[in-house]
Amino acid sequence: QKEVEQDPGPLSVPEGAIVSLNCTYSNSAFQYFMWYRQYSRKGPELLMYTYSSGNKEDGRFTAQVDKSSKYISLFIRDSQPSDSATYLCAMSSYNTDKLIFGTGTRLQVFP
Amino acid sequence: DSGVTQTPKHLITATGQRVTLRCSPRSGDLSVYWYQQSLDQGLQFLIQYYNGEERAKGNILERFSAQQFPDLHSELNLSSLELGDSALYFCASSVGVAGGYNEQFFGPGTRLTVL
Repeated sequence: QKEVEQDPGPLSVPEGAIVSLNCTYSNSAFQYFMWYRQYSRKGPELLMYTYSSGNKEDGRFTAQVDKSSKYISLFIRDSQPSDSATYLCAMSSYNTDKLIFGTGTRLQVFP
Repeated sequence: DSGVTQTPKHLITATGQRVTLRCSPRSGDLSVYWYQQSLDQGLQFLIQYYNGEERAKGNILERFSAQQFPDLHSELNLSSLELGDSALYFCASSVGVAGGYNEQFFGPGTRLTVL
């Protein structure tokens, strides 16, 4: 079993839809939770970072962490075609910088 | 643009050969990380250097090695290449090391194709 599980998709939604992306994990030592966006043939770029449990909002993006369920989510409101990319969840624990990534969910937003 | 640079962008080579991938971190960053991204395994951590010293190791093959030089640039050496080594190799950098959150900035990657 992988430490981090993520549905690979693809997920196809119309412009303006609310998108929900999720990851589950097994390592209870994880304390830092990140969402990266990766456009085709580019490097990952950080979208959101959350420490421990809770919610964090940044514009159209909301990240949620539920440590009791070992479940994290990223919500995208009013999705745009420019949001079409692969979204990777990543996690790390306090005593290491090693990021453990999910396999990524490919999202396509069509006009 | 993250400020992390990687060369070359593309590399095509044959099985059994050796290649070197180069990374320059963002100005001021002391930590450099190498990740491998393949279709079947996703993005996987290989190794981390901090200010010239090896800091952490992931599932890096013995055929692979890395180093960080005094000017903080890093090189990843891949030898005795196999078809399965074909992947995207990313370098990332951050200011410091663990003991809190260190945001990692990723470079554009080097696409390695082994024929």
